[in-house]
Amino acid sequence: NAGVTQTPKFQVLKTGQSMTLQCAQDMNHEYMSWYRQDPGMGLRLIHYSVGAGITDQGEVPNGYNVSRSTTEDFPLRLLSAAPSQTSVYFCASSYSGGHVNTEAFFGQGTRLTVV
Amino acid sequence: GQQVMQIPQYQHVQEGEDFTTYCNSSTTLSNIQWYKQRPGGHPVFLIQLVKSGEVKKQKRLTFQFGEAKKNSSLHITATQTTDVGTYFCAGPWSQGGSEKLVFGKGTKLTVNP
Repeated sequence: NAGVTQTPKFQVLKTGQSMTLQCAQDMNHEYMSWYRQDPGMGLRLIHYSVGAGITDQGEVPNGYNVSRSTTEDFPLRLLSAAPSQTSVYFCASSYSGGHVNTEAFFGQGTRLTVV
Repeated sequence: GQQVMQIPQYQHVQEGEDFTTYCNSSTTLSNIQWYKQRPGGHPVFLIQLVKSGEVKKQKRLTFQFGEAKKNSSLHITATQTTDVGTYFCAGPWSQGGSEKLVFGKGTKLTVNP
């Protein structure tokens, strides 16, 4: 049972480049989310999804796109990378039943540097 | 919007001392969750509290949920070096019919052996 798998683990981008952070879970969880973690800022929610075909914005959505075509996958796209997007990104999933009332499982994280 | 405030931001203790982190929400929560993140790692679920006034223990860790379900605390008795890490509380916030999990900024605990 792999849990939540994020790729890549590390990435360096040049300003203006685009890329997709991959996230996959094999637990049949309905709820998936992306967070970014910056020093002193905790975990800030970027986008989340309560099921396939449904996504919504979190606290800091600007500069990021998501889609949820399957239950298993929830990719995060950076359309035009900026230095302000240098951060550690975490994907998480949980069984929701419409509510975030259960344990969230996190991926190992992607450390992104934009130069 | 909902805010989950956590204090203190940093705490340094000598091994064997106790440690407490506090979490306060601007709104009543249906439940609160606690996570631990070791340095260089990812957040790992510790516990969920649901009932008003609930107290749960995990070995040296004691978790409390306030009577009004707007605050919570995590207390570690006799800290050990293995307790080092950042502790986060998280609560659900409803928006437009869907819920999202909002985290506090965390309390970073360092332990001097």
